[in-house]
Amino acid sequence: EAGVAQSPRYKIIEKRQSVAFWCNPISGHATLYWYQQILGQGPKLLIQFQNNGVVDDSQLPKDRFSAERLKGVDSTLKIQPAKLEDSAVYLCASSLDLRLYGYTFGSGTRLTVV
Amino acid sequence: GQQVMQIPQYQHVQEGEDFTTYCNSSTTLSNIQWYKQRPGGHPVFLIQLVKSGEVKKQKRLTFQFGEAKKNSSLHITATQTTDVGTYFCAGRTQGGSEKLVFGKGTKLTVNP
Repeated sequence: EAGVAQSPRYKIIEKRQSVAFWCNPISGHATLYWYQQILGQGPKLLIQFQNNGVVDDSQLPKDRFSAERLKGVDSTLKIQPAKLEDSAVYLCASSLDLRLYGYTFGSGTRLTVV
Repeated sequence: GQQVMQIPQYQHVQEGEDFTTYCNSSTTLSNIQWYKQRPGGHPVFLIQLVKSGEVKKQKRLTFQFGEAKKNSSLHITATQTTDVGTYFCAGRTQGGSEKLVFGKGTKLTVNP
């Protein structure tokens, strides 16, 4: 089966600019997650969708980050305006059923804010 | 909120030596998962443990879940250079939402 697709792979922007990341989960996976992984740390959950509804966005910095999952398939994560501390890898993951299976992660988008 | 702690943060071994990483949760877990992330790659699911005291093996890897379901360990016997990477544990809380909280990981380097 096809994996979780993410784009772009790399992005360099200046602080205060905006950026968007795209994710296409595995077909049939209702749950989609966006994680932020800062260098040397474990992934940190930003937002969780179940179909096209938000289940958990408690750790999403809502003053600058937004995410949507229209039609319950693809998802977009946006940062506006970006700060230097947003430099990280943004990982998208999906799961068929977390009680039985693990996450399948995409390759991630490495964001550098200069 | 839930916290998952992993030790050690780094481990350097000679090829052929054993390696163990430990994971502790501040709350009781419904299950725990382990992931491996190769340098420059993304986390890849290894295994899930659900039952108290559960032990699972995958070739040279042995995974354990504590009796209290608050700790776990991953042991690699006779490491190989292909074992290089960062190993993460991730816990799912009991009665919680369908999400995982990751530890900071243990970075393993293997000298040939």
